[in-house]
Amino acid sequence: DTEVTQTPKHLVMGMTNKKSLKCEQHMGHRAMYWYKQKAKKPPELMFVYSYEKLSINESVPSRFSPECPNSSLLNLHLHALQPEDSALYLCASSQGYRTEQPQHFGDGTRLSIL
Amino acid sequence: AQSVTQLGSHVSVSEGALVLLRCNYSSSVPPYLFWYVQYPNQGLQLLLKYTSAATLVKGINGFEAEFKKSETSFHLTKPSAHMSDAAEYFCAVSVNGGSQGNLIFGKGTKLSVKP
Repeated sequence: DTEVTQTPKHLVMGMTNKKSLKCEQHMGHRAMYWYKQKAKKPPELMFVYSYEKLSINESVPSRFSPECPNSSLLNLHLHALQPEDSALYLCASSQGYRTEQPQHFGDGTRLSIL
Repeated sequence: AQSVTQLGSHVSVSEGALVLLRCNYSSSVPPYLFWYVQYPNQGLQLLLKYTSAATLVKGINGFEAEFKKSETSFHLTKPSAHMSDAAEYFCAVSVNGGSQGNLIFGKGTKLSVKP
């Protein structure tokens, strides 16, 4: 059982739709992350939140909009996505945004863009 | 710049055989190193981590890894493979430097276990 919960597990959407991915953790972690993972590739970092503030945006297109309403929740709002955005989106959390603290991953949302 | 190289995109072993997955890192400062496993349709699960306390690190599911500074390596081993070990394995490095907590992943090694 994963301690980072992501919903939904699967999402199919058209290019004009607006949807949101949700991530929740109750481990008291203060850093949360969004990754994108294409098939047979390692995860690619998209965003980092540290103490509910956006710390890193890895030059992600504006059609992806992150939000951290509180220390336990992380959302990723999606709008006007492209077919190449189809991927597994992983959320992770760590105790703090420090190098030695491991990240704990959720099982991801598999996103398909029609 | 930091980087991670995993030798062999695909490793196949027989059930009961030794598992050896190779990872070499490049870092100008002492690194923190991690091994993650990803089963099909799941996220990444932490197997073990090296944070400078001990060079031989034991992890979950019988896996262990040894940090060798002279070889800049952090290879993952398991004495006897089980069918349930079939998965994708990622080595990752994280380095000091301000508040950087970014993980740099290797390209991954897919482990197959034959009966």
